[in-house]
Amino acid sequence: AQTVTQSQPEMSVQEAETVTLSCTYDTSESDYYLFWYKQPPSRQMILVIRQEAYKQQNATENRFSVNFQKAAKSFSLKISDSQLGDAAMYFCAYRSVLGAGGTSYGKLTFGQGTILTVHP
Amino acid sequence: NAGVMQNPRHLVRRRGQEARLRCSPMKGHSHVYWYRQLPEEGLKFMVYLQKENIIDESGMPKERFSAEFPKEGPSILRIQQVVRGDSAAYFCASSPISTRPWGYGYTFGSGTRLTVV
Repeated sequence: AQTVTQSQPEMSVQEAETVTLSCTYDTSESDYYLFWYKQPPSRQMILVIRQEAYKQQNATENRFSVNFQKAAKSFSLKISDSQLGDAAMYFCAYRSVLGAGGTSYGKLTFGQGTILTVHP
Repeated sequence: NAGVMQNPRHLVRRRGQEARLRCSPMKGHSHVYWYRQLPEEGLKFMVYLQKENIIDESGMPKERFSAEFPKEGPSILRIQQVVRGDSAAYFCASSPISTRPWGYGYTFGSGTRLTVV
């Protein structure tokens, strides 16, 4: 079974600065997807960015980018020019492409989350 | 496109009562997933359903919990004889039928916060 670990329970950053959130995972699969989700106090789960394991190029979405190190099984999220609206809980998640008997399609495994505080 | 709709947003039940949580997937989505988020924890997979079929229920507790996704109507997560430990946020997500593009992730609802008193 896959596991996802976020070793930083809390992080803080000054507005306009850059912050990096860490995520490591354990898997024996070679093909999979990785995601970062944001959960503000409203509780809504918002997809921030995704990475396909077979692509070497790191994904980028505006101020959000990832550092995907497949061999090290590391998937960190970098937030540039941090804004007050970025304050939230951030979850790293893993998704198999193929599962045993086809029953693991779509199942996400989440890390424990990192609470990000943005200081004005 | 209304997104994934969950209701109620908040639900309070006394110990021993039944809780019914509803999820209407996005239009065109035929796959539904339920997750549970205990306080201060990440989301944990519970069950994956397609219309009229349970595909993967490996994360469901063995007793008191059941889920369905009928041909017509919303998906229902049912918890019988609730206990305090069932207090959590329950999220539903949906995705379209697809082959490869699992990488689009899926769309989550806003969750139902269940409080057992």
